Amino acid sequence: QITLKESGPTLVRPTQTLTLTCTFSGFSLTTGGVGVGWIRQPPGKALEWLANIWWDSDRRYSPSLKSRLTITKDTSKNQVVLRMTDMDPVDTATYYCAHSVKAARTYYFDYWGQGTPVTVSS
Amino acid sequence: QSVLTQPPSVSGAPGQRVTISCTGSRSNIGAGYDVQWYQQLPGAAPKLLIYANTNRPSGVPDRFSGSQSGTSASLAITGLQPEDEADYYCQSYDSSLTGKLFGGGTTLTVL
Repeated sequence: QITLKESGPTLVRPTQTLTLTCTFSGFSLTTGGVGVGWIRQPPGKALEWLANIWWDSDRRYSPSLKSRLTITKDTSKNQVVLRMTDMDPVDTATYYCAHSVKAARTYYFDYWGQGTPVTVSS
Repeated sequence: QSVLTQPPSVSGAPGQRVTISCTGSRSNIGAGYDVQWYQQLPGAAPKLLIYANTNRPSGVPDRFSGSQSGTSASLAITGLQPEDEADYYCQSYDSSLTGKLFGGGTTLTVL
């Protein structure tokens, strides 16, 4: 079965770079139509999509955060890494990674990790 | 601000039917991009409920159904149960490239 798990620091200082790793099993990031996305959720707020990386190495970023984000994959390790620079307290959130499926008229997230909380504070 | 608008809250009594709307525009739902629905129970990760407007993943009860028309989509829940109390999010693709894939979420309260 498909599982994903996020890992990374729970506390980050302002201006630092956040590095999160998504380790997955049950699928391959070389399979057509498959990707991994990152979504975050500030406390008490809505989901916000951050980035996606696809089987063909296509990378997509939220335009409002694009300058701060880098998503990469290591297919041999079954891992996807998200880096977010210049962290700010408003970036405090639970960060999720999710298995993504690219369909004809959309893409969606059918398996999610448990999420990892990140607090940005000095 | 989301490009997909949902009511902040809806409520219903056990056994009743409730619907949650997701209003988009010609750059997302109205452009023919499919809609998904996610359920997020308190303290848990989101779970895919409906994909491609009307399809249920394996294991999702048929009490949950989705529909789409024009620039809007809806999630209907029949035979409401206490365990349905959760936040619900719609999601689609937007060609205006705002990156705002998700609606603002709707909190369902079972009275």
